[in-house]
Amino acid sequence: DAGITQSPRYKITETGRQVTLMCHQTWSHSYMFWYRQDLGHGLRLIYYSAAADITDKGEVPDGYVVSRSKTENFPLTLESATRSQTSVYFCASSVMDRGRETQYFGPGTRLLVL
Amino acid sequence: EDQVTQSPEALRLQEGESSSLNCSYTVSGLRGLFWYRQDPGKGPEFLFTLYSAGEEKEKERLKATLTKKESFLHITAPKPEDSATYLCAVRDYKLSFGAGTTVTVRA
Repeated sequence: DAGITQSPRYKITETGRQVTLMCHQTWSHSYMFWYRQDLGHGLRLIYYSAAADITDKGEVPDGYVVSRSKTENFPLTLESATRSQTSVYFCASSVMDRGRETQYFGPGTRLLVL
Repeated sequence: EDQVTQSPEALRLQEGESSSLNCSYTVSGLRGLFWYRQDPGKGPEFLFTLYSAGEEKEKERLKATLTKKESFLHITAPKPEDSATYLCAVRDYKLSFGAGTTVTVRA
């Protein structure tokens, strides 16, 4: 199926552990994004990437690392998980279509840090 | 700092009862205003992109409009399947989201 896939869909981990959330797109969109969604905060941008090997910080990057060696993949790593990183994480990609930006989201990864 | 405020937080409608959702924003240089629909447990689904004041976009029972300070999402004769959270976002160099309006349509 075309679109954005995220894995795992659910993850429980412990404080201090490293966790990697995977994101894969079947298109070749240049831009990809990671957001977290929390009650009371809405969606907040963690990191984004304009192309392979080009990444930049968003609004809440602390404690996260990203890489983008291939256009279709954009993994997000929590280097040492903390309880405050319990959240729902969404990966997205965007494309310009006839002069209009469209952003597509994955189904999300629900992360619980104990 | 960019701000996006959506109102109301929640909206309960009877089937067929038209209404509007508001998204007010402050941004230094608007490069697009976006509307999304989000169902429980799922990722946001793109609805519309608006770029300039006066612009309108329609899709089925939804119509989005844009002024210099706010956008409206009009829901005409809603059905229960229109129940969802509707998110608004604005872009200057990054995308900033509002907290959303949760719409419940009763049959």
